[in-house]
Amino acid sequence: AQSVTQLGSHVSVSEGALVLLRCNYSSSVPPYLFWYVQYPNQGLQLLLKYTSAATLVKGINGFEAEFKKSETSFHLTKPSAHMSDAAEYFCAVSDERGGGYNKLIFGAGTRLAVHP
Amino acid sequence: ETGVTQTPRHLVMGMTNKKSLKCEQHLGHNAMYWYKQSAKKPLELMFVYSLEERVENNSVPSRFSPECPNSSHLFLHLHTLQPEDSALYLCASSQVAGGTDTQYFGPGTRLTVL
Repeated sequence: AQSVTQLGSHVSVSEGALVLLRCNYSSSVPPYLFWYVQYPNQGLQLLLKYTSAATLVKGINGFEAEFKKSETSFHLTKPSAHMSDAAEYFCAVSDERGGGYNKLIFGAGTRLAVHP
Repeated sequence: ETGVTQTPRHLVMGMTNKKSLKCEQHLGHNAMYWYKQSAKKPLELMFVYSLEERVENNSVPSRFSPECPNSSHLFLHLHTLQPEDSALYLCASSQVAGGTDTQYFGPGTRLTVL
């Protein structure tokens, strides 16, 4: 069965510093992988997704993630953190069952704090 | 209205009450989802409707009863809930695409069971 592990429930960075949020997955089939962001009092919003095209995926707000099959990883990065990046980030893997709909398996989330 | 909307945004109910959560998607999607988000736990998928047919029911207690009258609307009927059911309930929709579809989420209903 598919699963996702996010290392670090809390990450704190300085404004302007590199952001690195870690995600490792387990999947019995070639995975589809997603990163979502949740701002306070809001639902989840897609940042980016990997669907077996280019292994380096660029998303919104300057984020990108690289799919590494050998490491079963899909870490999220941003070169320079901004105060507005403070939020909770969720990695997810698709567990599509042939019915077509997208059953997502989410990690526990990483809360990113950005300090001046 | 655009995207996915949910009402009410906040709900406080007693254990003997009956209430309903409403979700509406304005995106023309053909699949809708209910998730439960509790503190310190990963998002839990509760129900999925694809083409208005329930296709997923993740061992959810019968005190939660979903309804999907058409492709744009999704309800979650609640009765005799327990305090541990207090959580953020998120609705999402997507256009089915074999596992690659993006789910669009509503802002959620914050439920408190007294």
